[in-house]
Amino acid sequence: TQLLEQSPQFLSIQEGENLTVYCNSSSVFSSLQWYRQEPGEGPVLLVTVVTGGEVKKLKRLTFQFGDARKDSSLHITAAQPGDTGLYLCAGATDSWGKFQFGAGTQVVVTP
Amino acid sequence: GAGVSQTPSNKVTEKGKYVELRCDPISGHTALYWYRQSLGQGPEFLIYFQGTGAADDSGLPNDRFFAVRPEGSVSTLKIQRTERGDSAVYLCASSPTGEPDTQYFGPGTRLTVL
Repeated sequence: TQLLEQSPQFLSIQEGENLTVYCNSSSVFSSLQWYRQEPGEGPVLLVTVVTGGEVKKLKRLTFQFGDARKDSSLHITAAQPGDTGLYLCAGATDSWGKFQFGAGTQVVVTP
Repeated sequence: GAGVSQTPSNKVTEKGKYVELRCDPISGHTALYWYRQSLGQGPEFLIYFQGTGAADDSGLPNDRFFAVRPEGSVSTLKIQRTERGDSAVYLCASSPTGEPDTQYFGPGTRLTVL
C-alpha cells in the first residue's frame, strides 16, 4: 500500500500543452520531494518543498505544497518531449529524511 | 565528479541462490539508502546507513535481506535464498548528511530471479 497516491497514473499530451499531476496523502509530511525518472536510470531530484503553501518554480515547472502539508501538485507549462518521464513524489515524515514514494505518474509528451 | 555507481547493472540468478549487490556512493556522503523498485511502482525504502551503522532497517522485507557498509563508504546488499518475488530494480542513493536533503540515486541493479 502506497502512503502517497499519485494521479493520474498515466498522461499523454501533445507538445505545447499544459499538464498537472497530483500527489495526495492522509499523512502530514515534514518535507516533500518531486523526482523525474527515465528508463534505466535512477530518479533525479527536481525540487524539495518544506513549508505549507509553498510554491516553487523551476523554469516551466511549478510545484505547490498544500497548506496542511499533506498534498502537492506539479504543473508543467508548454510541455516538451524532453519532459517525458516518470514523475515521482516522495514524502518524509521523519527528521532524518526517510522518504516514502508514490507509484508515480508516467508522462508522455509527443511532438 | 562521479555519481553513485551500482554493480552489476543486471543480475540474473536462480531461485534459492545468494546474491550481492554493490553500491559506491558519492565520495564524502555520509548517508546511504537502499530502495527496491518493482515494475509500475515507486521506490520502496529498505535500509538507511549513517556512516557505518544501519540507522533504520525497517524496510527490509525479511531476514533473507541484509546490508553492510563496513567502512562508511561502499555498501553491499545481500540476499539469501532468492525468491522470484525478489525480482526488481534495486536502487542505491547517497546524500551529504541524511537530513531531508538531496538524495543522489544510482542507475540501479536489475535483479531477475528465475
